[in-house]
Amino acid sequence: GQQLNQSPQSMFIQEGEDVSMNCTSSSIFNTWLWYKQDPGEGPVLLIALYKAGELTSNGRLTAQFGITRKDSFLNISASIPSDVGIYFCAGRGTGTASKLTFGTGTRLQVTL
Amino acid sequence: NAGVTQTPKFQVLKTGQSMTLQCAQDMNHNSMYWYRQDPGMGLRLIYYSASEGTTDKGEVPNGYNVSRLNKREFSLRLESAAPSQTSVYFCASSPSGTGYGYTFGSGTRLTVV
Repeated sequence: GQQLNQSPQSMFIQEGEDVSMNCTSSSIFNTWLWYKQDPGEGPVLLIALYKAGELTSNGRLTAQFGITRKDSFLNISASIPSDVGIYFCAGRGTGTASKLTFGTGTRLQVTL
Repeated sequence: NAGVTQTPKFQVLKTGQSMTLQCAQDMNHNSMYWYRQDPGMGLRLIYYSASEGTTDKGEVPNGYNVSRLNKREFSLRLESAAPSQTSVYFCASSPSGTGYGYTFGSGTRLTVV
């Protein structure tokens, strides 16, 4: 099946710092999605990307659909304590109907 | 604003016991999914139902069965629980088509001893 490599696996940052994480695929994707999971909850959709090169923002979050269609990036600016959680990328490839493939997640922890 | 509702939230089973995890969505979505989440493994698809009346295996279906009871409900059954099935289970739903993300429930934390 399709593989998604997400990095870093975890990161500790100080409040106010900017954060970057990325996801790479072994095959081309038509859709990239970024989710956040708070402790004890299910993942919640943050940003959806549908076109190569697309750059989309949601508040302090910015995500990009890579030109090669095999990668995506998520940036968080000026991190705050409530950014703590696990961030997942997810992609939908060609010919796979509506099923998504999820990355292994990036665990973000913020220190004051 | 219920979205996707999963029951129970927590469960402890003994090896060999059976149980059914329940999932219901009130968004009139056609597609529903069951995932398991293990540390360092991300979300792995167990089974999915593209529409009412159909079910298909995902990446890790062994040891599980599913039933799409109607458009709203999609249950996951463990016939004979094993310690390897200790995990957090998530149900999700989405509209038909490739332009949509999934809406997830809040999960069931299952421990098999």
